[in-house]
Amino acid sequence: GAVVSQHPSWVICKSGTSVKIECRSLDFQATTMFWYRQFPKQSLMLMATSNEGSKATYEQGVEKDKFLINHASLTLSTLTVTSAHPEDSSFYICSAAPGAGMSDEQYFGPGTRLTVT
Amino acid sequence: AQSVTQLDSHVSVSEGTPVLLRCNYSSSYSPSLFWYVQHPNKGLQLLLKYTSAATLVKGINGFEAEFKKSETSFHLTKPSAHMSDAADYFCVVSEGGSQGNLIFGKGTKLSVKP
Repeated sequence: GAVVSQHPSWVICKSGTSVKIECRSLDFQATTMFWYRQFPKQSLMLMATSNEGSKATYEQGVEKDKFLINHASLTLSTLTVTSAHPEDSSFYICSAAPGAGMSDEQYFGPGTRLTVT
Repeated sequence: AQSVTQLDSHVSVSEGTPVLLRCNYSSSYSPSLFWYVQHPNKGLQLLLKYTSAATLVKGINGFEAEFKKSETSFHLTKPSAHMSDAADYFCVVSEGGSQGNLIFGKGTKLSVKP
């Protein structure tokens, strides 16, 4: 149980275009989903936290107009990288947590590697 | 403020020898502590977690970690390394009860030599 999927697993796009990444909780309802970014050989940095049906909370320094997050249902959150640039190339990982009151544990997706050319 | 320090960026061991990955934390509250493993181009897999129960925590694949409050440490160990253990390992702290406040260490790359 507690499986989280991401789609696509990798994507290459041209500079200036937008890319949407999906994160799904397959066998549980995720009240809260998180988006992380990981640069090569570095740790994960939290970008934003999203709760179903409400606006995402972005971490300091993350451009909310560039990284659009939508948590439309209890099993799906999307991250759209708008007007992508080469510096946006990174490994994006989502995680999902069951509803409020549960444990701290987050269940992580397999990640999406974005390359902007 | 919470923080996590993984003392070694890279650890190399021979297959069949013990593994020790060191982690020290700083937290104002009673923390929850986790170890995650990440294989190349894969997501994170939870190895084990400490949430104020037994201080010696057993995880998957033969790993275990001991919470030592006096030393603010949560080192990860395994008696005998296997080639498949080669991966990146992250020590993570969360202030108990609040989802989302996961603070990741910088990670330790474990190499296993045949």
